[in-house]
Amino acid sequence: EIVLTQSPGTLSLTPGERATLSCRASHYIHYMYLAWYQQKPGQAPRLLIYGASSRATGIPDRFSGSGSETDFTLTISSLEPEDFAVYYCQVYGDSPRFTFGQGTKLEIK
Amino acid sequence: EVQLLESGGGLVQRGGSLRLSCTASGFTFNKYAMSWVRQAPGKGLEWVSSISGNAEDTYYADSVKGRFTTSRDNPKNTLDLQMNNLRADDTAVYYCAKYSYISGSYSLDYWGQGTLVSVSS
Repeated sequence: EIVLTQSPGTLSLTPGERATLSCRASHYIHYMYLAWYQQKPGQAPRLLIYGASSRATGIPDRFSGSGSETDFTLTISSLEPEDFAVYYCQVYGDSPRFTFGQGTKLEIK
Repeated sequence: EVQLLESGGGLVQRGGSLRLSCTASGFTFNKYAMSWVRQAPGKGLEWVSSISGNAEDTYYADSVKGRFTTSRDNPKNTLDLQMNNLRADDTAVYYCAKYSYISGSYSLDYWGQGTLVSVSS
């Protein structure tokens, strides 16, 4: 079973700064099975990135994803006030099943 | 516009049963697998179950296997989750979500607003 570990647990930044969120898999995963979601309080998760680096429909280009094998990154190039939320990475694995990381909370400093 | 609307949540006693429903619109329902994902209060996301588009294949997390059953009615565009022998740790918001497969990738591209299940001990 794949385990996804996200870091940091909490990231404190100010609007305009660059955010870099990490997702590490316990063993190799195909990059096409890695996705990122954003969740704001009281709302459902929203798909941001699929296939490790492709933006979902309507997602601004300040969001980008990268990585391969066991190490993946979500980057927000210049934070907007609405970007402060919790971010989850997700892998689609055998069985089939979805596995999520524990989340990174991006908060305003 | 894709819409997913869950219903059926509520307060239930430990050991009891509850049936959640999700009504879908805005896409060809029978062409997509669907999933249930839950989130305990203040916690992260946990995949619960998936069902293929033709309803022939179902998959469950170990934590719910043997207690939960996922089904779908394609003519009615509905997805159901029958939850039996509920435990306190089943307390969560339950989301239904639509599979997305693009160029070999797998993700969940649309989610409902969620329905809260509270299990009292």
